[in-house]
Amino acid sequence: DAGITQSPRHKVTETGTPVTLRCHQTENHRYMYWYRQDPGHGLRLIHYSYGVKDTDKGEVSDGYSVSRSKTEDFLLTLESATSSQTSVYFCAIGGRGQPHNSPLHFGNGTRLTVT
Amino acid sequence: AQSVTQLDSHVSVSEGTPVLLRCNYSSSYSPSLFWYVQHPNKGLQLLLKYTSAATLVKGINGFEAEFKKSETSFHLTKPSAHMSDAAEYFCVVSRYGNNDMRFGAGTRLTVKP
Repeated sequence: DAGITQSPRHKVTETGTPVTLRCHQTENHRYMYWYRQDPGHGLRLIHYSYGVKDTDKGEVSDGYSVSRSKTEDFLLTLESATSSQTSVYFCAIGGRGQPHNSPLHFGNGTRLTVT
Repeated sequence: AQSVTQLDSHVSVSEGTPVLLRCNYSSSYSPSLFWYVQHPNKGLQLLLKYTSAATLVKGINGFEAEFKKSETSFHLTKPSAHMSDAAEYFCVVSRYGNNDMRFGAGTRLTVKP
């Protein structure tokens, strides 16, 4: 794997509670991404970051926020978890420099269940 | 907006026989196209990518894909399946790069001994 660690790997939480997922990379990549994976939908981009403190929304950003205070860490926060946010969450890092067409490297995922 | 349709949610082949995973894309401009593979409980790994160079693209582990603009297709093939090929495969289209990638729903490949 490309030096990406997601934590926790599994989490069960209750509706309405805040949840933070962490992605840590050791590759010093500029670009980092959070995706969610749901059956029948493939992967969908939630948020991405193109540098420290620089983030932008993806396709399914409602209900999620992110922060990147250090190059190596990208945090995904569910402010008030809902059952529709039950999913597998993947962090990915992109190539150095421009993101165009450089392959993504994925972490092993975090399985989140909201009851 | 770009999108991809993976025509089969599940494909089953016998070991040693050819593999064909079908992908059609929709795009009003020249897209970049990718195939990723996901093994159980793992993240995705890039198999191959098309970025407007040669239309026949060779990837890792003996996979290849052909870009056919007239058919808006980017099917993934392998001459001879191996047990280790059993996984889920995703076709992906993008215009500007990683920030606007659109994933297909995935095709689960089963390889029978």
